[in-house]
Amino acid sequence: QITLKESGPTLVKPTQTLTLTCTFSGFSLRTKDLGVGWIRQPPGKALEWLGIVYWNDDERYSPSLQSRLTITKDTSKNQVVLTMTNMDPVDTATYFCAHRGVIDDSGVFDIWGQGTFVTVSS
Amino acid sequence: DIQMTQSPSTLSASVGDRVTISCRASQSIINWLAWYQQKPGKAPKLLVYKASKLESGVPSRFSGSGSGTEFTLTISSLQPDDFATYYCQQYTGLYTFGQGTKVEIK
Repeated sequence: QITLKESGPTLVKPTQTLTLTCTFSGFSLRTKDLGVGWIRQPPGKALEWLGIVYWNDDERYSPSLQSRLTITKDTSKNQVVLTMTNMDPVDTATYFCAHRGVIDDSGVFDIWGQGTFVTVSS
Repeated sequence: DIQMTQSPSTLSASVGDRVTISCRASQSIINWLAWYQQKPGKAPKLLVYKASKLESGVPSRFSGSGSGTEFTLTISSLQPDDFATYYCQQYTGLYTFGQGTKVEIK
């Protein structure tokens, strides 16, 4: 059974750096084609894909946020870490991590964490 | 960047109705499209991948169709559990979500 859980601060100040950890079980990021992605959702708004790290250390980011994001993996700990710099109140959102599996050649987010809400405020 | 546009933004329907949600990509994504269902306070749930393939365990009243730039999610007979927000997502290398369609009770 695959599970993921996000953890980190619930409140950060403007200009600070946010660090969130996704701790997962039921799969290994040593397995070919797998990945863990990050998605966020401001209150009452749509889902926004942030980025992804793959089993082979390949990283991809949303073009609009690329300069602020870093996603790394610790395979031995079954963790993926999202770092977002220069936080602003508009970054207030629920942040999800998700398992990127492969079904019939499709790399989709098939299992999600419960999400963690982050408020950006002074 | 590939943009995804869903319509309508909100849809009012009754139990038993046939419901159709549209999703348009700004350029061809072939069939690299997924649909998710999200309920308030919950994580999204994968319903459909590769435009028309139903995820395991998803009721057969859900179906997806389309290719290229035009896609559709259909619920053949709306059930009480289906009132939720639905998102399309393209996955051609990077990922993009549509802005969502809320299906509410009429």
